[in-house]
Amino acid sequence: GQSLEQPSEVTAVEGAIVQINCTYQTSGFYGLSWYQQHDGGAPTFLSYNGLDGLEETGRFSSFLSRSDSYGYLLLQELQMKDSASYFCAVRGYSTLTFGKGTMLLVSP
Amino acid sequence: EPEVTQTPSHQVTQMGQEVILRCVPISNHLYFYWYRQILGQKVEFLVSFYNNEISEKSEIFDDQFSVERPDGSNFTLKIRSTKLEDSAMYFCASSEQRGVRVGQYFGPGTRLTVT
Repeated sequence: GQSLEQPSEVTAVEGAIVQINCTYQTSGFYGLSWYQQHDGGAPTFLSYNGLDGLEETGRFSSFLSRSDSYGYLLLQELQMKDSASYFCAVRGYSTLTFGKGTMLLVSP
Repeated sequence: EPEVTQTPSHQVTQMGQEVILRCVPISNHLYFYWYRQILGQKVEFLVSFYNNEISEKSEIFDDQFSVERPDGSNFTLKIRSTKLEDSAMYFCASSEQRGVRVGQYFGPGTRLTVT
């Protein structure tokens, strides 16, 4: 089976940096993905890590340590529009197993 | 920008009825998926589909569920006899490849309400 743990909620102010952690226990691990979801809308793909290390995409970065079964999403220069739920998801052969999500609340 | 579309946006049905949820994946994508999200909970994988057959399915995807690609553009999820606990948002997704670096693109979802 697969399980993922991430904080349920994180709060931050505009312009700040926030890190959302994810730990996982899984079989058949191909990589860790991150998705953003606004108010129950469609999940939107943000990033993917297949190998250890940091991947950077604009204001967002994602990190993976396979030996620690741990990853994180780093959001910089936070904006109000970043308020959303963020899900880590373990990539299997053709599946995605999502965590329960972290609700990020960005305040002025 | 190409996108995944789903119809209807909201479906209300009575327990025991059959429903068909429809999706049009992005046109050059080859891999298709269905997920569901019960209100306030995480997104759950149901099934993946490639080359006109199921690649993988979860334990949620029991005999009440089936998928089909009836033509070159549509991808459908059928629930034969709906139960109250089938009430959820159902998301269709597609990807260009199975390749793990490739993200899955999600449609806006169909909210299914079983009464």
